[in-house]
Amino acid sequence: KNEVEQSPQNLTAQEGEFITINCSYSVGISALHWLQQHPGGGIVSLFMLSSGKKKHGRLIATINIQEKHSSLHITASHPRDSAVYICAVRQRWYGGATNKLIFGTGTLLAVQP
Amino acid sequence: DVKVTQSSRYLVKRTGEKVFLECVQDMDHENMFWYRQDPGLGLRLIYFSYDVKMKEKGDIPEGYSVSREKKERFSLILESASTNQTSMYLCASSLCGHTYEQYFGPGTRLTVT
Repeated sequence: KNEVEQSPQNLTAQEGEFITINCSYSVGISALHWLQQHPGGGIVSLFMLSSGKKKHGRLIATINIQEKHSSLHITASHPRDSAVYICAVRQRWYGGATNKLIFGTGTLLAVQP
Repeated sequence: DVKVTQSSRYLVKRTGEKVFLECVQDMDHENMFWYRQDPGLGLRLIYFSYDVKMKEKGDIPEGYSVSREKKERFSLILESASTNQTSMYLCASSLCGHTYEQYFGPGTRLTVT
């Protein structure tokens, strides 16, 4: 079983829809990252969070540490939001945290006009 | 802005060739990482380096080696390329410490024939 699981794997939405992508993890973490990868492009960091909620434009990320779950929401989706969204966690070790990230396999989002 | 560059976007090599992938970052980051990304498997860590001449194996180091002679440059070496090393290779860098995000390069799509 993967330590970081994302759902759904694929998502197709109509422009304007509210979108939710979920991430569950099984290890203790110091932080969780949401990343975006456009086709053929590099990876861009959207959020890094360790508690609560963060908002940037139409994107909202939440995390529930007790339930080991995070969600990425996109409001008023647009075709330019089409990309792969990747969840990654930084594992907590005794006395600190690792520099390494554990990645989910990504959610491929297609927003149709 | 942090900039992470990789020497090639696309590369085609023959089985048995020695392959060098170069990564350069311009923000004086201590940590540098090499990942490979395959469909359905997500990003997997090959090697990372936390200082000049220092390296640590990731999850899948077999068939790869690395070199970090200067702080800004981290090279991935395939000693004898094989077809199962056909993949997307991504470099990343970050400041030292678990509160910092990783910045990714654009990726190199390597095909070994």
